[in-house]
Amino acid sequence: DTEVTQTPKHLVMGMTNKKSLKCEQHMGHRAMYWYKQKAKKPPELMFVYSYEKLSINESVPSRFSPECPNSSLLNLHLHALQPEDSALYLCASSQGAPRMNTEAFFGQGTRLTVV
Amino acid sequence: GQNIDQPTEMTATEGAIVQINCTYQTSGFNGLFWYQQHAGEAPTFLSYNVLDGLEEKGRFSSFLSRSKGYSYLLLKELQMKDSASYLCAVRRRAAGNKLTFGGGTRVLVKP
Repeated sequence: DTEVTQTPKHLVMGMTNKKSLKCEQHMGHRAMYWYKQKAKKPPELMFVYSYEKLSINESVPSRFSPECPNSSLLNLHLHALQPEDSALYLCASSQGAPRMNTEAFFGQGTRLTVV
Repeated sequence: GQNIDQPTEMTATEGAIVQINCTYQTSGFNGLFWYQQHAGEAPTFLSYNVLDGLEEKGRFSSFLSRSKGYSYLLLKELQMKDSASYLCAVRRRAAGNKLTFGGGTRVLVKP
């Protein structure tokens, strides 16, 4: 199983809503990531979790709140988003330390639209 | 910080060969990845180089020169389904498991 599963696939939310994006992998990977991708742009890293601890936060606004409940799950809680936050949100995982030189596997993404 | 540069677009004919170049400037280089991404889909892993030289995997090959900060992805016997964006990504040792992507190269394969 080399799959990273993200739900939902599509999400439309208002600026006052609270929603969550979910990501799951069962490959035993210990590093998990959130990326944001705007149309025709490359993925931009938001957060990295390593062994269920937040290791990198790329100065992401606090309206995005990540959570790693266990080694297989990664959530991204959304609150008071802006229309410019509309994008494809990609989750990825990789083996993590000590085998850091391994590829990241990406989920299919959640297409988020903020209205 | 780091700069990762690749051409924005390339067009090639079915059955031909296309070479996508990627140049980078970074400290603590710890590997270079190539991903393929079709429109609206997730990036999928193609290749990984950490030492100098050529890695061949079927119709796709990737080359790395660390001293020149240069890599290329070679696509042979192009097929229509190869029309996609190709992303070069660099991993830095000092940045944990951080993977930073270049802008991507959109390849259009024509009949």
